[in-house]
Amino acid sequence: AQSVTQLDSHVSVSEGTPVLLRCNYSSSYSPSLFWYVQHPNKGLQLLLKYTSAATLVKGINGFEAEFKKSETSFHLTKPSAHMSDAAEYFCVVSDDSNYQLIWGAGTKLIIKP
Amino acid sequence: DGGITQSPKYLFRKEGQNVTLSCEQNLNHDAMYWYRQDPGQGLRLIYYSQIVNDFQKGDIAEGYSVSREKKESFPLTVTSAQKNPTAFYLCASATTDRVKRRNTIYFGEGSWLTVV
Repeated sequence: AQSVTQLDSHVSVSEGTPVLLRCNYSSSYSPSLFWYVQHPNKGLQLLLKYTSAATLVKGINGFEAEFKKSETSFHLTKPSAHMSDAAEYFCVVSDDSNYQLIWGAGTKLIIKP
Repeated sequence: DGGITQSPKYLFRKEGQNVTLSCEQNLNHDAMYWYRQDPGQGLRLIYYSQIVNDFQKGDIAEGYSVSREKKESFPLTVTSAQKNPTAFYLCASATTDRVKRRNTIYFGEGSWLTVV
């Protein structure tokens, strides 16, 4: 069975410092992986996705993620945090056989001035 | 512009009433989904539909019903049987890459339902 684990429920960084949001997954075959961002009281916006092409995926707003099969990880990074990055971030694995998505519990990113 | 439209944004329901949340997409997506999100929690799947006139129960389907009569529309009815309906509801639709069997899901802005 597929599963997703976001290792931190909250991450707090200072503005201008790097961001690392961790995600590990388990899957019986080559998965599709996604990161979504949700600002307060808003819907979810797709940040980036991995679908078996390049293992380093670049997304919007300066975010990127690296697919590491040996570590079953898909961590999200950004070199320099901005106040507008404060939001909740969700890591998702796709079961492409039945269009179902497996959701992580989310990581709340807090940006300190 | 293409996208997913949910309405209403805010809805109040009295005890014992059924209410319907609308979800329309003009992205020509085959698959559509309804999720529920409670404060401070992740998303839970209510129902999903891979094709017109077909839908499947998700993890928390009890007290909800859906229909998929048109590709563009996937309304969700919250029935009086749903004992704790106050939540944020998100509709989504997915592209499908039938060759590589990969999909990408896109979300609407959500609807807040409150029981009064």
